[in-house]
Amino acid sequence: DGGITQSPKYLFRKEGQNVTLSCEQNLNHDAMYWYRQDPGQGLRLIYYSQIVNDFQKGDIAEGYSVSREKKESFPLTVTSAQKNPTAFYLCASSISGAGGQPQHFGDGTRLSIL
Amino acid sequence: AQSVAQPEDQVNVAEGNPLTVKCTYSVSGNPYLFWYVQYPNRGLQFLLKYITGDNLVKGSYGFEAEFNKSQTSFHLKKPSALVSDSALYFCAVRDPYGDSNYQLIWGAGTKLIIKP
Repeated sequence: DGGITQSPKYLFRKEGQNVTLSCEQNLNHDAMYWYRQDPGQGLRLIYYSQIVNDFQKGDIAEGYSVSREKKESFPLTVTSAQKNPTAFYLCASSISGAGGQPQHFGDGTRLSIL
Repeated sequence: AQSVAQPEDQVNVAEGNPLTVKCTYSVSGNPYLFWYVQYPNRGLQFLLKYITGDNLVKGSYGFEAEFNKSQTSFHLKKPSALVSDSALYFCAVRDPYGDSNYQLIWGAGTKLIIKP
């Protein structure tokens, strides 16, 4: 079945540590997104990519970094500069970055601080 | 500024009764409108969308939504609620002609609780 796979499901970060969240899709979608979800705040866009080797900052990119070396993969690194990383992180993809195409989501990674 | 409002943090409905989850938006022009559902510790699932045409759109799991341009609303409805409909529901809007036409603007979510 086609879909988006996020791993790990749970992740713990130590002080000063960078951690990387994986996102892989086999939907042949061009656009991919990373969101952060905090209780009662909806989804906030961290980064998005409309094509391989290109990505743009979203509303809350500080303390995060991404790469898009392959169409299928869009990993997110939470750096030590992100002082409040505890949240539920969601990866999504869509056929294209604009228009009426819906986004498809993975099942998320829950990140906590040790 | 563009925004989406879901005025109710929580909606409680008895099983078998009709349900409505409200969404209003502030986006210029003719926006694209979406509803998603999220079950605990899962990602979001797409329910339905409005792009153009008939103001009443039908989606997955028996849900429908009515676009009202004059009231800038896109309320989610279902004629008869099921306990399994209990979840978190998100409204999202895209301005297809804006500077950030790639970006969805999300509501804060409404928790729907269906009681047996």
